[in-house]
Amino acid sequence: GAVVSQHPSWVICKSGTSVKIECRSLDFQATTMFWYRQFPKQSLMLMATSNEGSKATYEQGVEKDKFLINHASLTLSTLTVTSAHPEDSSFYICSARDRGQGLEQFFGPGTRLTVL
Amino acid sequence: SQQGEEDPQALSIQEGENATMNCSYKTSINNLQWYRQNSGRGLVHLILIRSNEREKHSGRLRVTLDTSKKSSSLLITASRAADTASYFCATGERGSTLGRLYFGRGTQLTVWP
Repeated sequence: GAVVSQHPSWVICKSGTSVKIECRSLDFQATTMFWYRQFPKQSLMLMATSNEGSKATYEQGVEKDKFLINHASLTLSTLTVTSAHPEDSSFYICSARDRGQGLEQFFGPGTRLTVL
Repeated sequence: SQQGEEDPQALSIQEGENATMNCSYKTSINNLQWYRQNSGRGLVHLILIRSNEREKHSGRLRVTLDTSKKSSSLLITASRAADTASYFCATGERGSTLGRLYFGRGTQLTVWP
């Protein structure tokens, strides 16, 4: 149980285009989802927290117009990187939590974004 | 920064030896969690310890928490080559209902057969 999927697992795009990444909880209701980015050999940086049906809460320094997050249902959250640039290239990881089931977060396998 | 710091950054041991990783943090926490990440993959939850707990065990894992020193340690006993991975501590902020976690920089553990 507690499986989180991400799609796509990797994507290459041209500078200036937008990319959407999906995060799904497959066997539980994710009342809260989190988006992280990770640079090579570095830690996970929390970007934003989203609760189903409400606006995402962004961490300081994260541009909300650049990284659009939608948590439309209890099993799906999307992250759209708008007008991507090479510096947006990174590993993006989502996690999900069922608020009624404890503090543990369940992580997706990550999406490798490369912007040319 | 709310992020923790792991120590050491890299650890290389032989199979059968014990591996100890330390984590220090700066804020008041509700809980501290340890995660494992294999290269280029997502994270796997290992163990959670609440702020009112001092020690917790799970299989070959032993976690301690000292809130007065704002530090935690993860001990892996009788390590195996399959334990090779990056290990991260993550702190859950006190007073938050969102359950946000802030991750440390991680320890890269290599276990040689």
